[in-house]
Amino acid sequence: GAVVSQHPSWVICKSGTSVKIECRSLDFQATTMFWYRQFPKQSLMLMATSNEGSKATYEQGVEKDKFLINHASLTLSTLTVTSAHPEDSSFYICSARPTGGLGQYFGPGTRLTVL
Amino acid sequence: SQQGEEDPQALSIQEGENATMNCSYKTSINNLQWYRQNSGRGLVHLILIRSNEREKHSGRLRVTLDTSKKSSSLLITASRAADTASYFCATEGNQAGTALIFGKGTTLSVSS
Repeated sequence: GAVVSQHPSWVICKSGTSVKIECRSLDFQATTMFWYRQFPKQSLMLMATSNEGSKATYEQGVEKDKFLINHASLTLSTLTVTSAHPEDSSFYICSARPTGGLGQYFGPGTRLTVL
Repeated sequence: SQQGEEDPQALSIQEGENATMNCSYKTSINNLQWYRQNSGRGLVHLILIRSNEREKHSGRLRVTLDTSKKSSSLLITASRAADTASYFCATEGNQAGTALIFGKGTTLSVSS
């Protein structure tokens, strides 16, 4: 149980395009999901906290207009990187917290490469 | 935001040796967790230690937690080449629903 999926697992796009990444909790409901970014040879940095039915909370330094988060259902959160640039190339990982439960479960990550 | 430092940043050992990694954090925590990440892959949860625990074991892993010093250590005994990976500590704060905050990680290389 407690499986989180991400789609796509990797994506290559041209500079200036937008990319949507999905994070799904497959066998549990998650009121809260988290989005992290990991640059090569670095640690995971929290980008934002996504709450179902409300606006996401962004960490300092993360542009909310560039990284759009939508948590429209209890099993799905999406992260859209708008007008992507090469410096947005990174590994994006989501985690989901079971509603009313403990712990967080991580997705396998999405590798974004912007040319 | 990041909690703190892990040391060493990189560790190279021979198979069969023990590997010790340390993690320091800054704020009060509910628990501390250790994760492993193979190059370019997702996270693998290794072990969780609660703030009221001092030591925990799981197979070849031993984790200690010293809340007075805000530090933790991960010991991998009898290391294997397959243990080669990056290891991260992550802390969960006291407030309900908070995200995990990761340390900078230690890259472990085990040669056969």
